[in-house]
This record gives sequence, structure tokens and C-alpha cells, in this order.
Amino acid sequence: DAGITQSPRHKVTETGTPVTLRCHQTENHRYMYWYRQDPGHGLRLIHYSYGVKDTDKGEVSDGYSVSRSKTEDFLLTLESATSSQTSVYFCAIWGGGANTGELFFGEGSRLTVL
Amino acid sequence: EDKVVQSPLSLVVHEGDTVTLNCSYEVTNFRSLLWYKQEKKAPTFLFMLTSSGIEKKSGRLSSILDKKELFSILNITATQTGDSAVYLCAALKSSGDKLTFGTGTRLAVRP
Repeated sequence: DAGITQSPRHKVTETGTPVTLRCHQTENHRYMYWYRQDPGHGLRLIHYSYGVKDTDKGEVSDGYSVSRSKTEDFLLTLESATSSQTSVYFCAIWGGGANTGELFFGEGSRLTVL
Repeated sequence: EDKVVQSPLSLVVHEGDTVTLNCSYEVTNFRSLLWYKQEKKAPTFLFMLTSSGIEKKSGRLSSILDKKELFSILNITATQTGDSAVYLCAALKSSGDKLTFGTGTRLAVRP
């Protein structure tokens, strides 16, 4: 177990409301990632972080922002949720570094935007 | 734009059959090709392939990478119902340790 947890696990919200998903790790890993998974699209990278206050965009970053004020926490924020952001969101960290290939995922956060 | 394509999209087989899943990639600064298995929840790691032509094995699963033709295959022999899952391949870039995933192959193994 890589010691990675996500919250909330399920959330239903309305269009236009802000939403924050939290990823917490106990492994002190430098890199953390947020992915979304949708049918027909697989896993797509939203944002990632390579250290405290160091973040960068992935391939589907529009409408999302992130923050990392502590090594252990990586927050994903939807400032004004839209129905197209209904998805399952996964946080991930490298278990033993990228050289091992073992990217560990959290349990996922299922978000429904009505 | 980086691209990873998996085929077939879905597959139904009977227990005991052998299956081959395909993954092709076009990725700048390519470093490694990874395979994951996803059942009901989060993906779990299967293999990481960095060198061409060297087969990796784990029980009934094996995989190989061809860096010249830019593809990888995942073989599962003597399939079991517990092999039913979505199999994901992903290309790892040298910069940023980022993965680009394919859309996955959904495998269903019938008793």
C-alpha cells in the first residue's frame, strides 16, 4: 500500500459551484499527479506537481487549478464545475520513483456535476 | 502530440484461451512502456519495459517491447475469469516523469 488517500470519494454538485478534491500521501514523494478517467478516453493527466509550490499543466488542464502547500497534500480545484467535468478523478504517486514503473493510484473520487 | 493506441478495444474469450493485447505509441522523449490492470477500482502495475526485445514475465502474463516499430504486446496464457479487467498501457516520458495512457482493452473471460 503506497499510503495515498483521496477525499471525498463521492460527490454530487451543481453546475457553477466550486469543488476541491484532496489527495494525501504519507510517503514523502516529490511527484504527485491528478488524472481523470472517462469512457473512451482512458486516463488523462490534468495537472502534476514536482515539489511544494511547483506544479505544471497536463493535457486537460482547462477549468482546473491545483495547489501544493505541503509535500503530503495535493489539491485539485474546479472553480466553477461544469457537466463536462463529471468524471472519476485519480491521484497518483510513484511508489519507488519512476524507474520502478510503479505508479500508485488513490481509490478515486467520483464527481457528478448536475 | 503524444499518442498511445491500444487494440482491440474489447475482447471476450473463454477460460483457457490465450490472448494478445496490443499497444502502439508515438511519444517524444520516450523512456519506457508500462502496463497496468484495472478491475473495479484503481489501476495496478503489471510491467515496465525499457529495453527492446527483452520479455518480462509474471506467471501467465508476459510482455515485450519493440522500440523500432514503437509497439508492445501483453500476452496472457491459460486465461482465468480473474483476468477479466481493463488493461492499460502507458508511455513514460523522460521529462517530468509523466505518463500518457491508452484508452485500454477491456478483457472478459467467460467460464
